Amino acid sequence: QVQLVQSGAEVKKPGASVKVSCKTSGYTFTEYYLQWVRQAPGQGLEWMGWIKPNNGDTNYAQKFQGRVTMTRDTSITTAYMELTRVRYDDTAVYYCAVVGTDHWGQGTLVTVSS
Amino acid sequence: EIVLTQSPGTLSLSPGERATLSCRASQSVSSTYLGWYQQKPGQAPRLLIYGASSRATGIPDRFSGSGSGTDFTLTISRLEPEDFAVYYCQQYDSSPYIFGQGTKLEIK
Repeated sequence: QVQLVQSGAEVKKPGASVKVSCKTSGYTFTEYYLQWVRQAPGQGLEWMGWIKPNNGDTNYAQKFQGRVTMTRDTSITTAYMELTRVRYDDTAVYYCAVVGTDHWGQGTLVTVSS
Repeated sequence: EIVLTQSPGTLSLSPGERATLSCRASQSVSSTYLGWYQQKPGQAPRLLIYGASSRATGIPDRFSGSGSGTDFTLTISRLEPEDFAVYYCQQYDSSPYIFGQGTKLEIK
């Protein structure tokens, strides 16, 4: 069965970077776009961008341009999302998901706190 | 960029009633790339409808999707207690794949 397993919760100080991983299995990793979505406490779903695993092409929401980098390692069918210069309002649950499907990771809570 | 506007923001209904949720796009969206998600507290979103009108695996037939172009609708024919949640639409036709702001379906 398809699984997306994300890395564990992170606590970061303002200005630091955070990198979340998304280990996939059960499907052909290179055939489907993978998106990253975040949800701040009590808020809606915020789309951050996608990566095309077969060639590494990316597309980021304008809000995150310059701060987010999405990468992948096809040898281990894992995608990564790195967010730099984090701020208090980056505190959220971060999800990876195969675009247009019911295949989502369990979410990774990133807390930004001094 | 395509903006999705969901209405109403909150819908208060009783079990057994019919729910109609709207998702309006600022530009035309291919029906193939319009999805509806349900989210409950502390859980990841769950895909209900893809391609505007196709039910995802395991989704009860009381859920149905319709629409085309700029207007899409999610209908829940008879509400069950477990249907009270937040619902989001998402288009993945044209980047950015922004979500609607959500409709909270609450028990009246």
